[in-house]
Amino acid sequence: GEDVEQSLFLSVREGDSSVINCTYTDSSSTYLYWYKQEPGAGLQLLTYIFSNMDMKQDQRLTVLLNKKDKHLSLRIADTQTGDSAIYFCAENPGYSTLTFGKGTMLLVSP
Amino acid sequence: GAGVSQSPSNKVTEKGKDVELRCDPISGHTALYWYRQSLGQGLEFLIYFQGNSAPDKSGLPSDRFSAERTGGSVSTLTIQRTQQEDSAVYLCASSLDGRPRRSTYGYTFGSGTRLTVV
Repeated sequence: GEDVEQSLFLSVREGDSSVINCTYTDSSSTYLYWYKQEPGAGLQLLTYIFSNMDMKQDQRLTVLLNKKDKHLSLRIADTQTGDSAIYFCAENPGYSTLTFGKGTMLLVSP
Repeated sequence: GAGVSQSPSNKVTEKGKDVELRCDPISGHTALYWYRQSLGQGLEFLIYFQGNSAPDKSGLPSDRFSAERTGGSVSTLTIQRTQQEDSAVYLCASSLDGRPRRSTYGYTFGSGTRLTVV
């Protein structure tokens, strides 16, 4: 397809791991991004991965990139209620503007 | 300023009226972007400014939408003769350099303007 695809909703319990998946469209994308949007706020850059990497770890966040399948995932370890938000993946194809997915709403219950 | 500033944060307008939304990017950021966020539609690209180059207007949904960026800094998005389908959150973002393959750190977003057309 031509869109960046994400599942729309994920519900987990506090302390569990969360995995949010994304399928992007353009294999020439140099960087792939994860953004977080809390209620009433703009998007905040969470992490990014360079296209020649398979994995990037940053504290509780792990990003996995499968270029063959154009699949990107974000794993949040020990998920907290404060992690409840909408998570967007984004790619930057040959032109400069980022293309975003529709976002995955993560709900963390106590 | 320290971040991207947008005003107003909320705007309610009557159908048919014109509205102006303002974005103040981070000082020194050469690239500025407008996106629209609607329920179930994700982020829809509207327009992109890079330095003194002609803006990329390819995302503007109709000729009722226009934007300008004065002095390479503040930008104004104008919607003329607003319609109910224009109701959405309008997000502005800036980045240090928007040229292809150089946006290493992505964009910094403002908190958005929530536009409601009644």
